[in-house]
Amino acid sequence: DAKTTQPNSMESNEEEPVHLPCNHSTISGTDYIHWYRQLPSQGPEYVIHGLTSNVNNRMASLAIAEDRKSSTLILHRATLRDAAVYYCILARRTGANSKLTFGKGITLSVRP
Amino acid sequence: DVKVTQSSRYLVKRTGEKVFLECVQDMDHENMFWYRQDPGLGLRLIYFSYDVKMKEKGDIPEGYSVSREKKERFSLILESASTNQTSMYLCASSFGGQTYNSPLHFGNGTRLTVT
Repeated sequence: DAKTTQPNSMESNEEEPVHLPCNHSTISGTDYIHWYRQLPSQGPEYVIHGLTSNVNNRMASLAIAEDRKSSTLILHRATLRDAAVYYCILARRTGANSKLTFGKGITLSVRP
Repeated sequence: DVKVTQSSRYLVKRTGEKVFLECVQDMDHENMFWYRQDPGLGLRLIYFSYDVKMKEKGDIPEGYSVSREKKERFSLILESASTNQTSMYLCASSFGGQTYNSPLHFGNGTRLTVT
């Protein structure tokens, strides 16, 4: 399975944009890129996913490099509630039942 | 909103006991998953199911079994609990057909301690 690489941690300031990077140099053409986040004492929460084009939703934006070997999760205006572990995951389109394998994620701290 | 409910938030069991962890989802999702989460190891997939009475092994199925008799309920069973199964257990569900293109919805976890 293709793997993702993320920095261990990142800090940001409240109300500023945050760019969380993810490298996936061995991605295949059928791999979808997913992002989840996990707040303290909670289960992971879906953030966004995409295949080739950039994606936007109410939580965040996903920017996917043209060669798809990297992607960036963009939080447009960080709040204290965005402090969490963010996971970048690849989900392969192999039949109907691909499984999502989580790595260690990146811990985002937000300074007031 | 999708709700995935895990029956217990905290559980303490003795070595050798048979342990049942229950998970229920209310959105008629076809797919259900069991993960465990340990510090430094991230989330690891134990088992998943894409239909009633169907199951597939994940990355670490040893020492576990599962049961899915009804679509909304997915049970994780520790046949004989051991101390190395002390962990946070997370259940998730997703809409069927294209698991690679469907968000996972997680419960809040069961923290199991085996003494």
